[in-house]
Amino acid sequence: GAVVSQHPSWVICKSGTSVKIECRSLDFQATTMFWYRQFPKQSLMLMATSNEGSKATYEQGVEKDKFLINHASLTLSTLTVTSAHPEDSSFYICSASGQRNTEAFFGQGTRLTVV
Amino acid sequence: GEDVEQSLFLSVREGDSSVINCTYTDSSSTYLYWYKQEPGAGLQLLTYIFSNMDMKQDQRLTVLLNKKDKHLSLRIADTQTGDSAIYFCAERLQAGTALIFGKGTTLSVSS
Repeated sequence: GAVVSQHPSWVICKSGTSVKIECRSLDFQATTMFWYRQFPKQSLMLMATSNEGSKATYEQGVEKDKFLINHASLTLSTLTVTSAHPEDSSFYICSASGQRNTEAFFGQGTRLTVV
Repeated sequence: GEDVEQSLFLSVREGDSSVINCTYTDSSSTYLYWYKQEPGAGLQLLTYIFSNMDMKQDQRLTVLLNKKDKHLSLRIADTQTGDSAIYFCAERLQAGTALIFGKGTTLSVSS
């Protein structure tokens, strides 16, 4: 299957700082990328959908000014958690979908801990 | 509304078959997926089935879809300890849209 690389795998940051998470599709062009958040022992909750070159569409309850998403190219999307707080600690996973739009591949996830 | 339900736990012995069940509510789902997640890792796509199919088999994995009952199952033949993980069922309503996930079934395989 296609490869989606997410970086970093884990990060610890201080409250008030910002953290950027990268999601890359390595062997296909990702026209659409999705960002999910997963709480311990729970399912994945969709945060936002981004199409290359346009603004992301955020799910209800997700603060767009706090979770900045950029999808500037067909192989890269970034999620920046701004002014992070301990309640932002979570597992963030990106997913990329190509033009066929049949399969959706996931990155390895990023464990964010805000102290 | 959109809702995907799964049982939370399944425990089997090594060598037995595992059957993980999933129900969904939206009959217009286009694709249905099964993902595997190991501790601390991302999601690995195992298989998916198009809504006009009844069955799909891929090596040890068999997916059955009962569209009338909106029921999806994943059968793992000859289950191994390495199959221990969380298995997520997901539906996709339209091409290019996000997947909607169930809460995941934790499969525990004992030797």
